[in-house]
Amino acid sequence: SQTIHQWPATLVQPVGSPLSLECTVEGTSNPNLYWYRQAAGRGLQLLFYSVGIGQISSEVPQNLSASRPQDRQFILSSKKLLLSDSGFYLCAWSGTDNEKLFFGSGTQLSVL
Amino acid sequence: GENVEQHPSTLSVQEGDSAVIKCTYSDSASNYFPWYKQELGKGPQLIIDIRSNVGEKKDQRIAVTLNKTAKHFSLHITETQPEDSAVYFCAASKGGFQKLVFGTGTRLLVSP
Repeated sequence: SQTIHQWPATLVQPVGSPLSLECTVEGTSNPNLYWYRQAAGRGLQLLFYSVGIGQISSEVPQNLSASRPQDRQFILSSKKLLLSDSGFYLCAWSGTDNEKLFFGSGTQLSVL
Repeated sequence: GENVEQHPSTLSVQEGDSAVIKCTYSDSASNYFPWYKQELGKGPQLIIDIRSNVGEKKDQRIAVTLNKTAKHFSLHITETQPEDSAVYFCAASKGGFQKLVFGTGTRLLVSP
């Protein structure tokens, strides 16, 4: 069966520091991968999605970037964090048939 | 673009009662409507979904209904249990999860 792993679960970072969140999917090949952000008490906002290695689409302009160095690995990064980058970050995947979307367990990022 | 509105924002019921959460969407081309359950500090979990070629779908105590004419869909939970307490999100898409738009969530509290 397919599983998605996301880490770390929580992260506290100072303003101006770099960020790297990692997500990996097991049990499937060539998944579509997504990064979402969820502000406290709000819905989910799509940040990036990828349909293949090295292919990244950005949905909103921001201080973050994404990369997909391997088929089942998706990384969310920032060179310098802002206070406004705080939030709950979720990685998700879907098969190439786009039948269903599955989320990871999330990373709670606090920028202080 | 698509806009999804979800009501109510909070819902309190007694154990054993039924709970209904309603969503409306704006784009008549939307054809896929998933529901997610999110427990505190965790990622959203897909609990049921429906496509526009059917009007109702059931899975044990959970059901979803879709009215394409009125552009609204609802989640029905019968015989609620305390473990049903969570935030529930509806979503709508007209093709591809990069176009999936989420509602703002409903916090369901089931009291014993």
